[in-house]
Amino acid sequence: EPEVTQTPSHQVTQMGQEVILRCVPISNHLYFYWYRQILGQKVEFLVSFYNNEISEKSEIFDDQFSVERPDGSNFTLKIRSTKLEDSAMYFCASGVLTGGNSPLHFGNGTRLTVT
Amino acid sequence: DQQVKQNSPSLSVQEGRISILNCDYTNSMFDYFLWYKKYPAEGPTFLISISSIKDKNEDGRFTVFLNKSAKHLSLHIVPSQPGDSAVYFCAVGGNYGGSQGNLIFGKGTKLSVKP
Repeated sequence: EPEVTQTPSHQVTQMGQEVILRCVPISNHLYFYWYRQILGQKVEFLVSFYNNEISEKSEIFDDQFSVERPDGSNFTLKIRSTKLEDSAMYFCASGVLTGGNSPLHFGNGTRLTVT
Repeated sequence: DQQVKQNSPSLSVQEGRISILNCDYTNSMFDYFLWYKKYPAEGPTFLISISSIKDKNEDGRFTVFLNKSAKHLSLHIVPSQPGDSAVYFCAVGGNYGGSQGNLIFGKGTKLSVKP
């Protein structure tokens, strides 16, 4: 069964450094998402992406964050200058349709630790 | 603001009995409801969904019930098995208020099924 894959599984970085989290969504999906889960808290929406542009973003997704689909398969989340509070599990998700009409399929996440 | 509430952080059930997980939401504009299961070190896995035009959807041992007037949904697992032990997230979505269909998650309920 096709799945969403994320790399790396764990990323440790120092405060102020840039990180890029990578995702390969399911190949025939058109809608792409990033979510995050801070330890002990709920899974939170960050951003959705469709037709090569951001379709929606949350308040969390400020100017330090950006997303890109550099080619036909990868979907990346960049954090320009990491802060301690960015430490979380970051999940990529994709769907054939939007989350309002069909289930989203999630990757296993990247654990980001900012020291 | 908690748009999606799972008021029980944990639930313990004996193998073979029924597990009932509950979820409440605040916005009547939501029209698509899902349950995800999450094991440690993995991403959320889609389990079952229901749209607002239905009040029940069944898939094997899993049944989701939707009470729109009460803004409440529940997941029934019958019979429960030890392998069902995981964190269960309720998620809501829909094309509401300009949203592109991102999902909003509850905080999760940790289900433990004892042999």
